Amino acid sequence: GNSVTQMEGPVTLSEEAFLTINCTYTATGYPSLFWYVQYPGEGLQLLLKATKADDKGSNKGFEATYRKETTSFHLEKGSVQVSDSAVYFCALTTTYSGAGSYQLTFGKGTKLSVIP
Amino acid sequence: KAGVTQTPRYLIKTRGQQVTLSCSPISGHRSVSWYQQTPGQGLQFLFEYFSETQRNKGNFPGRFSGRQFSNSRSEMNVSTLELGDSALYLCASSIDPPGQGHNEQFFGPGTRLTVL
Repeated sequence: GNSVTQMEGPVTLSEEAFLTINCTYTATGYPSLFWYVQYPGEGLQLLLKATKADDKGSNKGFEATYRKETTSFHLEKGSVQVSDSAVYFCALTTTYSGAGSYQLTFGKGTKLSVIP
Repeated sequence: KAGVTQTPRYLIKTRGQQVTLSCSPISGHRSVSWYQQTPGQGLQFLFEYFSETQRNKGNFPGRFSGRQFSNSRSEMNVSTLELGDSALYLCASSIDPPGQGHNEQFFGPGTRLTVL
């Protein structure tokens, strides 16, 4: 079956620090990979995505590269801001012949706190 | 364009009762999925609907059920509530049929269910 493992939090960084949140996966078929962000009291927002190997997803200064050889999709940002404080989820879907589905498999989430 | 809306936002029930949660997808979106979010289990897939048909179902007991209407709005029902059903229930919608397109899903703010 599918699974996603991401680094345990919480992670506390000072403003302008470099961020890395590790994510590895196991999947059947050909996964698409996602990072979602959840701000306090809100639902999930798609942060970035990559649909095939070596694709790089990017948004709002965040980046992640789909690495098939290491089955990883680590999230990075060069300089975090207080407004980046949230919970980040790595997720995947797989699409294979005759079984189209949007079912997302999520990691446990990593809480990021950025202090001024 | 309005986002995914979920009603009610907060709900308090007692054990043994039943509850119905509602989700209105983004206009034009025909795929709707439901997820349960708890601190212990994280985000878990409940069901997925497209064109009023359940396309996929997660590993939840039969007390959890859902349906989709011709206007793509969806409801989920939980009967005989248990304390462990306390969770944030998230709905997500997508414009494409399940497993096609770019698999991008848009989440609502969720319904916070508390079972006493």
